[in-house]
Amino acid sequence: GAGVSQSPRYKVAKRGQDVALRCDPISGHVSLFWYQQALGQGPEFLTYFQNEAQLDKSGLPSDRFFAERPEGSVSTLKIQRTQQEDSAVYLCASSYPNGGEAFFGQGTRLTVV
Amino acid sequence: AQRVTQPEKLLSVFKGAPVELKCNYSYSGSPELFWYVQYSRQRLQLLLRHISRESIKGFTADLNKGETSFHLKKPFAQEEDSAMYYCALFIQGAQKLVFGQGTRLTINP
Repeated sequence: GAGVSQSPRYKVAKRGQDVALRCDPISGHVSLFWYQQALGQGPEFLTYFQNEAQLDKSGLPSDRFFAERPEGSVSTLKIQRTQQEDSAVYLCASSYPNGGEAFFGQGTRLTVV
Repeated sequence: AQRVTQPEKLLSVFKGAPVELKCNYSYSGSPELFWYVQYSRQRLQLLLRHISRESIKGFTADLNKGETSFHLKKPFAQEEDSAMYYCALFIQGAQKLVFGQGTRLTINP
């Protein structure tokens, strides 16, 4: 298990339902990122953790989005009261600090119906 | 504002032909640029970075600060090069990558 692991791979949620997406980064990687990728678009930054500290959450689209990394390892992205516009692939990436080489997970495809 | 533009959403070339995927950026600081690639059914992965000035899988990319470009080139395309390619700008202070919209490259036999 050397890579970034995300679960679930696919999630279908009814509008209004809460969802939780999990990311297990590469061991030893201090930095952890969440990105949102809409269909036909490039990944867009959501939030960044350095260890357990959330240093940047400027990309979270609304207060329905919440991310945590309580022990500086596994991270969870939670979306409350999902809306159709939340449908996207959510990518997690980890890296050493101060570097643009990020290692990505396979993503979670969220579909809100 | 930081922005990465990839003007071609789709690019199709024949095997053995040269390939150039265009990338332009807008950034007031000193740019650090990357090309990421996503092959079919695989995760997004780093292809190359401008700092290392290396050739990976026959691809090269030169940072042109005057033209604010970082085009990806390969002299002879191979079928296994078919993939989605994303140009990305690393924002040092914010520690985040800003991606372009991506170019889907198809190599025809």
